[in-house]
Order: sequence, then C-alpha cells, then structure tokens
Amino acid sequence: QVQLQESGPGLVKPSGTLSLTCAVSGGSISSSNWWSWVRQPPGKGLEWIGEIYHSGSTNYNPSLKSRVTISVDKSKNQFSLKLSSVTAADTAVYYCARDSLVVRGNRMDVWGKGTTVTVSS
Amino acid sequence: SSELTQDPAVSVALGQTVRITCQGDSLRSYYASWYQQKPGQAPVLVIYGKNNRPSGIPDRFSGSSSGNTASLTITGAQAEDEADYYCNSRDSSGNLVVFGGGTKLTVL
Repeated sequence: QVQLQESGPGLVKPSGTLSLTCAVSGGSISSSNWWSWVRQPPGKGLEWIGEIYHSGSTNYNPSLKSRVTISVDKSKNQFSLKLSSVTAADTAVYYCARDSLVVRGNRMDVWGKGTTVTVSS
Repeated sequence: SSELTQDPAVSVALGQTVRITCQGDSLRSYYASWYQQKPGQAPVLVIYGKNNRPSGIPDRFSGSSSGNTASLTITGAQAEDEADYYCNSRDSSGNLVVFGGGTKLTVL
C-alpha cells in the first residue's frame, strides 16, 4: 500500500525558508491523485497549505500563497514544500497526504506520520 | 465561502450515539470527509463521500449531509473513539481544500 514519509530540517531560523520533502512509496506519484501538505500548530487544528498534481498543477491556501511553493519530482517519486519568510507562527507539525477526488468530494486517505518544524533562532 | 464550522467539544456516554456536525457553504456542493486524530498521531480518514467508510473503519461510523451541514454519527460510541474529529471538503470553487476547526469528542 502507498506510504508517505516527510523529511527535512526540524529547526528553521526566523525569516528563513522551510523546506520539506514527502517521499511516496508503494505507488506512483503519477497516479490520479492530488498530493497535499497540511500543518498543525501546537494545540491547534489542521490547516491545508496546498496541493500538487503530477502534471505540476498547484493550488495554494490563499492565506499562505505568497510564501508557498510546492513542486514535484517524478523521477524520485516525491513532492516538496518550500515556505519562505517563516516566523514563530509557522511552528507546527507538517503532514503530507494523498488527496483523491471522489464524486462531489475528496478524501485524504493516506497520510505521512508528520514532522515537527520549529522556527526559532 | 471557504470556512467550515464545527463545535469545539462534544461528549457522549459510553455506548450511546453522538453526532458531530460541520457547517459551511461549500457543503451545498461537496460532501465532507471526516478524520479522526488521536494525540500524537496523524489524522485517519473515517468517512468520505455520501457515506463511505475506508477499509478497517468500524460500521458504527456513518456520515450524512443536508443543505450546508454535514454530520458524522457514531452509533454506540466506544472508549477508543475519544479523539479530535475534523471535517474537510473542497471549497465552493472546487480548487481549494478547507478544514473545519475540529471537535474534541469525550467518551464518558
């Protein structure tokens, strides 16, 4: 079955760029799914960051759009997140997830375990 | 609108039925999907579409929708159902994803 694994630095300095990668195993990133990033600040709810299709099409949360870039590397079967100009408010657990479109809806049916990113000097 | 609204907390007696709701304009066009999250764990999909359960999710979990409100019902709540529950859907444009604020379910 498909598994997702996030990786990247656990500590990022303020004003720097957060960079994470999600490796897809057990399936192809070129399948008919969107690939999403979701984050969860400590003690708070889930926030959708954005998504990418294997073609390179992207959609971003309007509240983060100016700072977010999501890219895909089909040769490595992975996708990546870059979030620029980070502040302490970007400290969170970051998850990657597979998002499948279904009739009149979607389902995020596969999730990575999450990786904690702290923004601090 | 790109917002989904959930009650922050709900409680249910062991073995009883509980309904968790999610409201938003996008739900007039799209079904919600529902996720269970226990402390320190990633979310798990429990309901999607009109009323579909992924493999391995107990049949005491069910979903429904009416107008701008989606509901997750747990019939015969168990102690292991105590968790945070989140709804999500595409937004009204279909191009974005939105999450509700989450509901903390306590099983008494």
